[in-house]
Amino acid sequence: RKEVEQDPGPFNVPEGATVAFNCTYSNSASQSFFWYRQDCRKEPKLLMSVYSSGNEDGRFTAQLNRASQYISLLIRDSKLSDSATYLCAVNYYFSGGYNKLIFGAGTRLAVHP
Amino acid sequence: EAQVTQNPRYLITVTGKKLTVTCSQNMNHEYMSWYRQDPGLGLRQIYYSMNVEVTDKGDVPEGYKVSRKEKRNFPLILESPSPNQTSLYFCASSLFGGRPNQPQHFGDGTRLSIL
Repeated sequence: RKEVEQDPGPFNVPEGATVAFNCTYSNSASQSFFWYRQDCRKEPKLLMSVYSSGNEDGRFTAQLNRASQYISLLIRDSKLSDSATYLCAVNYYFSGGYNKLIFGAGTRLAVHP
Repeated sequence: EAQVTQNPRYLITVTGKKLTVTCSQNMNHEYMSWYRQDPGLGLRQIYYSMNVEVTDKGDVPEGYKVSRKEKRNFPLILESPSPNQTSLYFCASSLFGGRPNQPQHFGDGTRLSIL
């Protein structure tokens, strides 16, 4: 089982739709979580951190479910410009106090008119 | 402007010809890392550095070398490139390594083709 897994998609949605992605992780000791956006083989850019209580940034809402070990990203009122690949990143804790950020392979979103 | 700068952005070269991809950050970050990204495999870490003169292997270090003589620079060296190292490479940095809540900031990427 991969340490961080995402549905590769693509998710094809019309403009204005609401779409949600999940990302599962295997290390229950993970302490921090992030969503990145990557456009067409450009560099990943931090979209938002994911906090325990959930957090919102405009049309984007991130949630964390520790019991089931997944994070989610909800995009409301999708825009054409939201078309991209969304990567989740999970901080893994290793014994000895070292943490490492591990990325999922990404979920592709295509928003059409 | 705070940024991570990689050079070159694109390179086509031949098997066995040594090459170096440079990476520089101006944010005084302690942690720097190199990734390669291949279709369907996501970002895989090659090497990372917790601070100056401290480097360690990531998940796919074979065929690569790195050095961290200064805080801002973290070059990736391919001593004898082979076609299976054709990939998209990203350098990234964060303020600290080994701690939670440390998002990484990425350079623009280097598209490398080894013929």
